[in-house]
Parts: sequence; structure tokens; C-alpha cells
Amino acid sequence: DAKTTQPTSMDCAEGRAANLPCNHSTISGNEYVYWYRQIHSQGPQYIIHGLKNNETNEMASLIITEDRKSSTLILPHATLRDTAVYYCIETGGYQKVTFGTGTKLQVIP
Amino acid sequence: DAGITQSPRHKVTETGTPVTLRCHQTENHRYMYWYRQDPGHGLRLIHYSYGVKDTDKGEVSDGYSVSRSKTEDFLLTLESATSSQTSVYFCAISESVGSAYYEQYFGPGTRLTVT
Repeated sequence: DAKTTQPTSMDCAEGRAANLPCNHSTISGNEYVYWYRQIHSQGPQYIIHGLKNNETNEMASLIITEDRKSSTLILPHATLRDTAVYYCIETGGYQKVTFGTGTKLQVIP
Repeated sequence: DAGITQSPRHKVTETGTPVTLRCHQTENHRYMYWYRQDPGHGLRLIHYSYGVKDTDKGEVSDGYSVSRSKTEDFLLTLESATSSQTSVYFCAISESVGSAYYEQYFGPGTRLTVT
């Protein structure tokens, strides 16, 4: 199964950019990178996805390296409400995806 | 927010009893999923459905069965609950085009305790 590697936890000061890395060295050419987050005990929430170009939406930016083996999710101005567990997944071109343990981001006042 | 509800939201049951959890969607999405979440394990896929009466196993399907008789409902059944099935269960839905993956939308979760 496709696997991603993320740091277990990170801290970020409120108002600063949060940069969350993800390694997906087994990703193949037609697989996307997806990011989700889970705030406290709520269900995960979709954030953004990309194939090989950088992407931006109202929530975040996604930077994918040229070799596509890693990516970085950027929250440009982190707030306390961004404290959550962030999951990076690589799709198998199919629906059978499983989430890892993610990165626990703590935004500090 | 995507129209996904789960019922019940909380349940306490005894070992050996059958339990059914329900996921209901109002989005008419093709794919539906059941995950469980335990400390240290993240979200693990139990079963998913790619259409009415079409289901497949995930990575932790032992001890669970599912059914989907209508597009909007996906049921997860624990035939004989065990303490190891104490967990938080999340339902998710997604649209699809062919076999491509599209973003999933998650329900609020069901907290199940097996005593």
C-alpha cells in the first residue's frame, strides 16, 4: 500500500506560517497528494490536493517538489483554530485509501 | 458541510452483542466508507462501497460486515462485539469519475464502547 511519512508533531506561533512536510517517495505518476486535517474529535476535513504543480486555495498552499517525492502544506497565517492533526495521503488512483497518523500541529499564542 | 449523519453518536454495548451503525448521506455520492480511529493508529479503512450492493474490504475488515441497499445509507455491523472494537467510527463519502479518487467528506463520528 502507498505510504506517506510525516513528523509526529510540530509547533507554530500564531500569525506565522505553518509549514507541514510530507514524504511520499512511492508515489507514481498519476497519483495525487491530498491533505486533510482533523480538529479535536471531529471528522477529518479536506484541505487541498495536487499532482505536480503548486496549488493554492482559500485554506492553504501546497508545494510539491519536482521529483514529486515530497510536499509541503503551508498555512500562511496560522491561528489557534488551525491546531489539528494534519494528514497527507497519496492516492492509489482508486478509492481504497487509508490515513496514517499525521502531524499534530499545535499553534501557540 | 456535506450532508452526512451518523447514528447513533454514542453507544455502549456488552461483549458478544450485535451492533449496527448507520451512515446516511444526502449528497447522492457514489462512494461511502467506514473507518475506525484508535490512538496511535490514525484512521484505518474497514470497508467501503462503490455503489448499491457493491462493497469491498479495507485493511481492518475482520469482525465487521457492511450493507448498502440504498445510495444514501451504508450500514456497518459488528456481528458479535468485542472489546477490541471499542473505537471511534467515521463514515465518509466521495464522488467519483471512473476509478479516480476524489476528496472525501466525513461524518461527525460514532463513539462505540464495548464493555
